[in-house]
Amino acid sequence: QVQLVQSGAEVKKPGASVKVSCKASGYTFINYGVSWVRQVPGQGLEWMGWISVSSAITNYAQSLQGRVTMTTDTSTTTAYMELRSLRSDDTAIYYCVRTCTGENCYPRENNWFDPWGQGTLVTVSS
Amino acid sequence: IVLTQSPATLSLSPGERATLSCRASQSVSSSLAWYQQKAGQAPRLLIYDASNRATGIPARFSGSGSGTDFTLTISSLEPEDFAIYYCQQRSTWPLFTFGPGTKVDLK
Repeated sequence: QVQLVQSGAEVKKPGASVKVSCKASGYTFINYGVSWVRQVPGQGLEWMGWISVSSAITNYAQSLQGRVTMTTDTSTTTAYMELRSLRSDDTAIYYCVRTCTGENCYPRENNWFDPWGQGTLVTVSS
Repeated sequence: IVLTQSPATLSLSPGERATLSCRASQSVSSSLAWYQQKAGQAPRLLIYDASNRATGIPARFSGSGSGTDFTLTISSLEPEDFAIYYCQQRSTWPLFTFGPGTKVDLK
């Protein structure tokens, strides 16, 4: 079945970097994109950015520009999200999610975010 | 585009009908989806393109609307439906935004 499995929880100090991995299986990795979404515990969902696996084109939320980098490794069907200069307000659960490789995909359901990884808790604390 | 959801919390009993609203600050056409998130779990896609049920989603879930006003309806709440529901728009692809969520809890 289609599945995204993320790396384990991380604890980082302010100013450090974190790199979260997302291993995809059950589908043709290069035919899709990957978005990353984070959620502060008890709060809502924040879209962080998107990468097209086939072209490596990325687009990041303005609030994270300059601190986030999304990459993929097609040989291992793994997506990565690196966040630098961590602050306490970066403490959150980070999710990867499969989405369209471009602006429009068919079936149209593939334009949206499904399925999601299980989430990775990143705690930033001194 | 800013998405606003109402109410913030909806307190209902099993078997009741739930009506959740999502409003966009400008038209998103039909580029809107709904997600369900249960406690301790990742979200899952329920409705896409405003009114289409995702694969495997029960028929008691339905979506309607276009432009700026959208509704998610759960026709008869099951115990497993008590969760938080988020709307999301993609009309500004490749930028996406989520609404703040509506919590459906047990009355």
